[in-house]
Amino acid sequence: DSGVTQTPKHLITATGQRVTLRCSPRSGDLSVYWYQQSLDQGLQFLIQYYNGEERAKGNILERFSAQQFPDLHSELNLSSLELGDSALYFCASSVATGQETQYFGPGTRLLVL
Amino acid sequence: GENVEQHPSTLSVQEGDSAVIKCTYSDSASNYFPWYKQELGKRPQLIIDIRSNVGEKKDQRIAVTLNKTAKHFSLHITETQPEDSAVYFCAANRYSTLTFGKGTMLLVSP
Repeated sequence: DSGVTQTPKHLITATGQRVTLRCSPRSGDLSVYWYQQSLDQGLQFLIQYYNGEERAKGNILERFSAQQFPDLHSELNLSSLELGDSALYFCASSVATGQETQYFGPGTRLLVL
Repeated sequence: GENVEQHPSTLSVQEGDSAVIKCTYSDSASNYFPWYKQELGKRPQLIIDIRSNVGEKKDQRIAVTLNKTAKHFSLHITETQPEDSAVYFCAANRYSTLTFGKGTMLLVSP
């Protein structure tokens, strides 16, 4: 157990819908990262928040957005869902930002039908 | 941006053999190189990491080497065991952003 929690574990929804994934970092960690893992694209970095502020952006679609709240938990919002958005979404956290180890949560498996 | 290539994509070994997985990266600004192990349906778990000011690091049966000049790093697992079977990912960290390789599926046969 890494100490990073994610809810829900599984999510099944329809195309065009909107979902919210939630992540709580390890106690004391200020950075939260979101990743998408699919069979064809591998593990792809989406976005990082550090102490409430967006810090880095990766291959995140405009239909996706995220935020980090004052209690440091983070939410990833996915809207206008398409079949291709079906994937495992991982959240990771680290103490700060830079060369710190990132600890991954258990992931949310999203299936868009 | 950073690009990480990982080889091989699959690796089958007999229990007790050694396994080597190799990665190359493109951006000389990358300065931290973790390796993660992921079992089916589970989270990636860090198994070892190396920073750019170090050439080699060992932890029991696992070792990682880094060649900054050639921009490549490798994972070495000795005395493999069936429980080592998993997908292994290398990654390169540039300004706190991790770029992952495509993964290596390691199968260790008893």
